[in-house]
Amino acid sequence: KQEVTQIPAALSVPEGENLVLNCSFTDSAIYNLQWFRQDPGKGLTSLLLIQSSQREQTSGRLNASLDKSSGRSTLYIAASQPGDSATYLCAVRTGSEKLVFGKGTKLTVNP
Amino acid sequence: NAGVTQTPKFQVLKTGQSMTLQCAQDMNHEYMSWYRQDPGMGLRLIHYSVGAGITDQGEVPNGYNVSRSTTEDFPLRLLSAAPSQTSVYFCASSYWADRGTEAFFGQGTRLTVV
Repeated sequence: KQEVTQIPAALSVPEGENLVLNCSFTDSAIYNLQWFRQDPGKGLTSLLLIQSSQREQTSGRLNASLDKSSGRSTLYIAASQPGDSATYLCAVRTGSEKLVFGKGTKLTVNP
Repeated sequence: NAGVTQTPKFQVLKTGQSMTLQCAQDMNHEYMSWYRQDPGMGLRLIHYSVGAGITDQGEVPNGYNVSRSTTEDFPLRLLSAAPSQTSVYFCASSYWADRGTEAFFGQGTRLTVV
């Protein structure tokens, strides 16, 4: 059974710091991995999608990497801002029908 | 571009009542699914559909029913609400592809069963 773990569960950093969020999964047979952002009381906003054949994806200050063989992905946020404060979720697609989610990392960026 | 739209945003039910959570998407996606999000449990798949007329169970299907009569709509029915169904419900959609594509989520329905 696929399991997804996100460490740390919570992270507090000063504004301007570069930071890394971690996601690990137990079964390397994935189709893709997707990073989401969730603001309190809101839905999930897709940030980046990495196909299993890709190593990384970039969007603005965000860079996500994927090492399928070791079951790891990282989300790098450059020059963090208070507006980046949210919970970040990673999810792996194990088959065409199912996403398996981690429990998220709650990020607080302090001004 | 509306994306995935869920209604209602909030709902309070009494134990034993039934209701339908609505989900509609305007991206012509074949694949739609329902998840519930609970504290400490993450998001778990309830039911999914790979096209009109085709549905299947996910990880936690008990107490829920779905149907898919059109590509756009995928309603989730609670047959007889129980306090254990208090949760936030999310609908998602994506194109159907062998390798899977980007999933888009609605804003959620926060349900409380008393």
